[in-house]
Amino acid sequence: AQSVTQLGSHVSVSEGALVLLRCNYSSSVPPYLFWYVQYPNQGLQLLLKYTSAATLVKGINGFEAEFKKSETSFHLTKPSAHMSDAAEYFCAVSDHGQGAQKLVFGQGTRLTINP
Amino acid sequence: KAGVTQTPRYLIKTRGQQVTLSCSPISGHRSVSWYQQTPGQGLQFLFEYFSETQRNKGNFPGRFSGRQFSNSRSEMNVSTLELGDSALYLCASSTVTGWNSPLHFGNGTRLTVT
Repeated sequence: AQSVTQLGSHVSVSEGALVLLRCNYSSSVPPYLFWYVQYPNQGLQLLLKYTSAATLVKGINGFEAEFKKSETSFHLTKPSAHMSDAAEYFCAVSDHGQGAQKLVFGQGTRLTINP
Repeated sequence: KAGVTQTPRYLIKTRGQQVTLSCSPISGHRSVSWYQQTPGQGLQFLFEYFSETQRNKGNFPGRFSGRQFSNSRSEMNVSTLELGDSALYLCASSTVTGWNSPLHFGNGTRLTVT
């Protein structure tokens, strides 16, 4: 069965600093990987997805993620943090056969931006 | 284009009662998925409906059920509510079912069971 581990339930960075949110996956077959963001009192919004077309995936709001099969990782980065990036971020995985609808989510990482 | 609409936003029920939550997908989307979000268990997949048929089901007891109508609107029902059912229930829609059709989430229904 597939699973996702997000290292660090809370990450705090200064405005303008690099954002790095870590995600490691476990899957018995080549995975589809996703990053979602959740703002307070809202649902989840897709940031980016990996579907084997390219290992470096660019998403919305300046975020990107790199798929590293050897490390079973899909870490999310943003070169310069903005106050509006404060939210909870979820990494998710889906087996090829299950599509993008049945996802297994990590426990989430709450990102705080310090002025 | 309007997003995914979930009603009601907040709901308070008593243990043992049943509840029905509603979800209207984005226009043109035919797949609707439901997730439960709790502080302890995180986000967990409940089920997915596509063209009025349940395509996938998560690991939840039979008290949790759902359906989809011909206009793609979906409802989920929880019978004999337990305190542990208190959660944010998220509905998500996608154009079709499959890997190239990511989920678009609604803002959720927050259910409190007392």
